[in-house]
Amino acid sequence: SQQGEEDPQALSIQEGENATMNCSYKTSINNLQWYRQNSGRGLVHLILIRSNEREKHSGRLRVTLDTSKKSSSLLITASRAADTASYFCATDVMETSGSRLTFGEGTQLTVNP
Amino acid sequence: DTGVSQNPRHKITKRGQNVTFRCDPISEHNRLYWYRQTLGQGPEFLTYFQNEAQLEKSRLLSDRFSAERPKGSFSTLEIQRTEQGDSAMYLCASSYSGFANEKLFFGSGTQLSVL
Repeated sequence: SQQGEEDPQALSIQEGENATMNCSYKTSINNLQWYRQNSGRGLVHLILIRSNEREKHSGRLRVTLDTSKKSSSLLITASRAADTASYFCATDVMETSGSRLTFGEGTQLTVNP
Repeated sequence: DTGVSQNPRHKITKRGQNVTFRCDPISEHNRLYWYRQTLGQGPEFLTYFQNEAQLEKSRLLSDRFSAERPKGSFSTLEIQRTEQGDSAMYLCASSYSGFANEKLFFGSGTQLSVL
């Protein structure tokens, strides 16, 4: 079963706008990661936030983590057409710590030029 | 760093045939993972290795699936007696991890179509 659920399932915006994607999870985690996947390709790691962190930035990406609500958000600022992809959150769950990452079902982002 | 390499890129087979996929991880990575992904879904964990030891296998994984990582280098995933429901993208990933998962590096995947 999937640990993470992304919201929305699909998001369509204009170039230059900000895109926000949310992820909720069920059990305690060590860290939460966001990945990007272009159509038909493998996933690419974007950013990792640990359970004791609340916010992290990387370039145009901003990730927040609220462990009390078991949720995270990914904000992409000043979006570009090249940001069009699927975005997945993945959790390193405490009970299986050191083994697998569990992925959500993803948000399909379309950035229109 | 040549990245994670998966072969073949595409595989079309008939139901009942056996197929084998290969994954070459990043050379210094001690962990290797196999995931399966169907259209519109997130990757689903299948199994993972630390060096040559297979440490975990998904309970959802049929006995028709077997994976090996001889000598802790490349890995193979074999599916015996394929079924149409096995059609999916099979993703391999590697990492160098201590006690907690750090980021995974993914290959481009093998797209399996079972006719």
